[in-house]
Amino acid sequence: EVQLVESGGGLVQPGGSLRLSCAASGFTVSSTYMSWVRQAPGKGLEWVSVAYSDAGAYYADSVKGRFTVSRDSSKNTLYLQMNSLRPEDTAVYYCARDSKGPLYWGQGTLVTVSS
Amino acid sequence: DIQMTQSPSSLSASVGDRVILTCRASQDIRNDLGWYQQKPGKAPKRLIYAASSLQSGVPSRFSGSGSGTEFTLTISSLQPEDFASYYCLQHHSYPLTFGGGTKVEIK
Repeated sequence: EVQLVESGGGLVQPGGSLRLSCAASGFTVSSTYMSWVRQAPGKGLEWVSVAYSDAGAYYADSVKGRFTVSRDSSKNTLYLQMNSLRPEDTAVYYCARDSKGPLYWGQGTLVTVSS
Repeated sequence: DIQMTQSPSSLSASVGDRVILTCRASQDIRNDLGWYQQKPGKAPKRLIYAASSLQSGVPSRFSGSGSGTEFTLTISSLQPEDFASYYCLQHHSYPLTFGGGTKVEIK
């Protein structure tokens, strides 16, 4: 059974950093496309990034240069390193396993950027 | 970037109603489109992939159609558990883009 569990969210000041984790089970993170999607409070869904199976990545313009996605095969975990955080980055962050777009989703982790 | 426009942004309907949601792409995306349902406080759930293929386990009252730039999600007979928000997503090219969503509320 595919399971995804996000962690690492919390309250951070503007300009700060945070690293989100997405622990996977039931499949191998390094062998498939994995996405991060976020949702600001009361707003719609926004795609953030994708990690390719060959260790490449693609980012939304809104986070390019500030966010970095990576994978740890030994822990079967996907990460999202978020630097230079802004109030508009406040959202629930979901990781998802892709198959023609996100298919399996985690429960999400809340990131709040505020002073 | 490909823009996805959903309409309406919200609608009120009754149990048993036939409901049609629309999604328009700013350029041809062939059939690289999915439909997602999201309930408050929950992760999205994919209902339809490749514009018209029903995801395993999804009730047959949900159907999708369209290709190119115009797509629809139809709920043939609205059930109480269908009151939720619905989003389309294009995966034709990166960055992936969602529509703004349609909130289906109880009349």
